[in-house]
Amino acid sequence: AQKVTQAQTEISVVEKEDVTLDCVYETRDTTYYLFWYKQPPSGELVFLIRRNSFDEQNEISGRYSWNFQKSTSSFNFTITASQVVDSAVYFCALIRLSGGSYIPTFGRGTSLIVHP
Amino acid sequence: KAGVTQTPRYLIKTRGQQVTLSCSPISGHRSVSWYQQTPGQGLQFLFEYFSETQRNKGNFPGRFSGRQFSNSRSEMNVSTLELGDSALYLCASAGRTMEKLFFGSGTQLSVL
Repeated sequence: AQKVTQAQTEISVVEKEDVTLDCVYETRDTTYYLFWYKQPPSGELVFLIRRNSFDEQNEISGRYSWNFQKSTSSFNFTITASQVVDSAVYFCALIRLSGGSYIPTFGRGTSLIVHP
Repeated sequence: KAGVTQTPRYLIKTRGQQVTLSCSPISGHRSVSWYQQTPGQGLQFLFEYFSETQRNKGNFPGRFSGRQFSNSRSEMNVSTLELGDSALYLCASAGRTMEKLFFGSGTQLSVL
């Protein structure tokens, strides 16, 4: 069975601080995908990044960066110089192929509050 | 390109009633999946449809059902509503890169 753990339920920071959201996963599959989604108050999940299990290259996109370490089954997400607009719930998800379709397992989410 | 559209945005029902939620995927996407989000259980997979066929189903009772039409639009139905069915129901569609899901804003269902 798949499992995604986001141990941080809520993080509160002041604007311009750096913040790291942790994600640890469990799976027996060798092929899988890891995602981060952002859920603002409007409700929809906004795609941030996708990584497949064979690609451990870290990635930076503007103020966002991701650190994928297969050895520790972690896929952490860092926001540099946080802004109030970053306030949202962030979900880490593991997606695997099952019965012809891709099935996600989500973490419980981390609520990020950025204060001005 | 229009995103995933879910209607209605809010619904209030009473116990025992049934409800139908609608999801229009991104144009060209043939896979539609549904999720239930609650504070207690988080985001849980309900089912996935591709070309009008249900390919996968999560661990939910038979009261939860769905279907997909030839234009890829999908509906989800919950019969005999219970208080615990109160949740945000999210729909997602996927295109050729099938593991990349695009989500709608959801339907907030309240069961009184």
